Amino acid sequence: QKEVEQNSGPLSVPEGAIASLNCTYSDRVSQSFFWYRQYSGKSPELIMSIYSNGDKEDGRFTAQLNKASQYVSLLIRDSQPSDSATYLCAVRRRQDNNDMRFGAGTRLTVKP
Amino acid sequence: DADVTQTPRNRITKTGKRIMLECSQTKGHDRMYWYRQDPGLGLRLIYYSFDVKDINKGEISDGYSVSRQAQAKFSLSLESAIPNQTALYFCATSDQGLVNNEQFFGPGTRLTVL
Repeated sequence: QKEVEQNSGPLSVPEGAIASLNCTYSDRVSQSFFWYRQYSGKSPELIMSIYSNGDKEDGRFTAQLNKASQYVSLLIRDSQPSDSATYLCAVRRRQDNNDMRFGAGTRLTVKP
Repeated sequence: DADVTQTPRNRITKTGKRIMLECSQTKGHDRMYWYRQDPGLGLRLIYYSFDVKDINKGEISDGYSVSRQAQAKFSLSLESAIPNQTALYFCATSDQGLVNNEQFFGPGTRLTVL
């Protein structure tokens, strides 16, 4: 079992729809969770981080964390073609080091 | 100017050659990292350094070595390159002392080993 699992996609949604990206992780003591966006040929950039159970909203993005289910998700409302990218889920296992594990990413396409 | 820079951006080399990838940052961060990215496997940590005197192995350090020449510089070396080291390599930095410190990535180096 991979430590951080994501559906590789591609996930295709129409412009204006809600895109839902999911991630599960295996290490129950994981403490910090991140969503990075990576455009083709570019470097990852952080779009959301979440540390506590529940929802965290930032503009059109909402991250959801359920530690009991070891599940973290990213919702993108009013999806735009510019949101088309690969979304990487990252999980940091402990607070005292930087042992961050990344999922393989979900490729999202938003069709005009 | 970019905060995290990597050189070269692209490199093609032959099996058995020694190659060095360089990373520089102007963010003033203490912590630096080297990752490789392969299709379907995501980012995997090769080495990381919390300060100039601190070097730590990551998930996949075999076949690689690093040097932290200064706070702002962190180099990755392949002593004898092999084809399965063909990948996209990213350097990243982060600040210390923050509970949930973000990692900032450089633009990447695309390495091809023939």
